[in-house]
Amino acid sequence: DQQVKQNSPSLSVQEGRISILNCDYTNSMFDYFLWYKKYPAEGPTFLISISSIKDKNEDGRFTVFLNKSAKHLSLHIVPSQPGDSAVYFCAASGTTSGTYKYIFGTGTRLKVLA
Amino acid sequence: DAGVTQSPTHLIKTRGQQVTLRCSPKSGHDTVSWYQQALGQGPQFIFQYYEEEERQRGNFPDRFSGHQFPNYSSELNVNALLLGDSALYLCASSFYEQPQHFGDGTRLSIL
Repeated sequence: DQQVKQNSPSLSVQEGRISILNCDYTNSMFDYFLWYKKYPAEGPTFLISISSIKDKNEDGRFTVFLNKSAKHLSLHIVPSQPGDSAVYFCAASGTTSGTYKYIFGTGTRLKVLA
Repeated sequence: DAGVTQSPTHLIKTRGQQVTLRCSPKSGHDTVSWYQQALGQGPQFIFQYYEEEERQRGNFPDRFSGHQFPNYSSELNVNALLLGDSALYLCASSFYEQPQHFGDGTRLSIL
């Protein structure tokens, strides 16, 4: 039962262009969503989060969009840089329901071509 | 400011053995969560410790147990190891509702 899905295992983007990573969820109790980046041999690094009371959150080159009715979120990276090449995980949590665990997707490997 | 530290980095065990993994949280964090990440998968929640008690548990058997110490550090114990327990074990720490910060993990291989 995959409650958080990242349907694209990989994505290649040219340097300077926009990278769009997608994530779908099925549990309507989720109210907090996060994106993590993971380099090989390192732990996941927190990138950006969004609460369900918002539909957009920006932090520098990273923007997360949340569409609650579609149960869909996306991460936009503009402009993409070679150092952004990594595996990106989306995660969801239900903080208001007292659920502290994060449910992760299977990840999308982003490759930014110079 | 040290982040989340985990030890050991790598570990090789045989089936049936027991293992203990250790985690020191980031300074200022009081909550520790453990995750298992199999190859090609996302991290799966094992359990979370807060105030030295298990606050929430994922879908893992009782062979997986943990502990949190008064200094907020934590241990993950796995008994009767199975081949399927081979994975990267990640520790994450947090404070209140802030995002969890992860360590670099312990790679456990079962022969």
